Amino acid sequence: ETGVTQTPRHLVMGMTNKKSLKCEQHLGHNAMYWYKQSAKKPLELMFVYSLEERVENNSVPSRFSPECPNSSHLFLHLHTLQPEDSALYLCASSQDIGTGVRAFFGQGTRLTVV
Amino acid sequence: GQQVMQIPQYQHVQEGEDFTTYCNSSTTLSNIQWYKQRPGGHPVFLIQLVKSGEVKKQKRLTFQFGEAKKNSSLHITATQTTDVGTYFCAGPRGGGSNYKLTFGKGTLLTVNP
Repeated sequence: ETGVTQTPRHLVMGMTNKKSLKCEQHLGHNAMYWYKQSAKKPLELMFVYSLEERVENNSVPSRFSPECPNSSHLFLHLHTLQPEDSALYLCASSQDIGTGVRAFFGQGTRLTVV
Repeated sequence: GQQVMQIPQYQHVQEGEDFTTYCNSSTTLSNIQWYKQRPGGHPVFLIQLVKSGEVKKQKRLTFQFGEAKKNSSLHITATQTTDVGTYFCAGPRGGGSNYKLTFGKGTLLTVNP
């Protein structure tokens, strides 16, 4: 139990579907992140939120839309995805953004786009 | 931009053998972090190194930060099957609101019992 909970754990969706990934942290952290983990690739940072404000959008296609309604919750809204978007999507949180902070990861959502 | 390179990409050892993974950065790092991801799991923080030449130990794991703060290594003595997983190094990039934690590709360790 890391204090960061992601739902669902597994998701299969068609290319025309709309779905959302949810992340909740119980650590009182101020920063939250979405990472994408594909086979044989480094962890790719997608979005960073600090105190509910987006501070980083790492050239992510618009078919991925993040939402951070408060510092404990983070969503990733998905629409018209492509098969190459199939990956493990990891949410993480940290006390703040800045050098030296460690990241706490959720267990991830394994997404398959068919 | 800064890249964090890790070698080897894969390492298979017999139980009881030692294992080392290396991390190299193109720029000086203020600190470096190491994470472990078990198969089917998520990355879990292991340790952070901050000082030049720093060496830290966690039981059979020894972490080193280079003098120039551009490289780091993780050494496991007498591997066990519980050590199986992917080991990532991560270095900070940017600062303030532009801060990012940049991960290496990781080293996948498999251990033959």
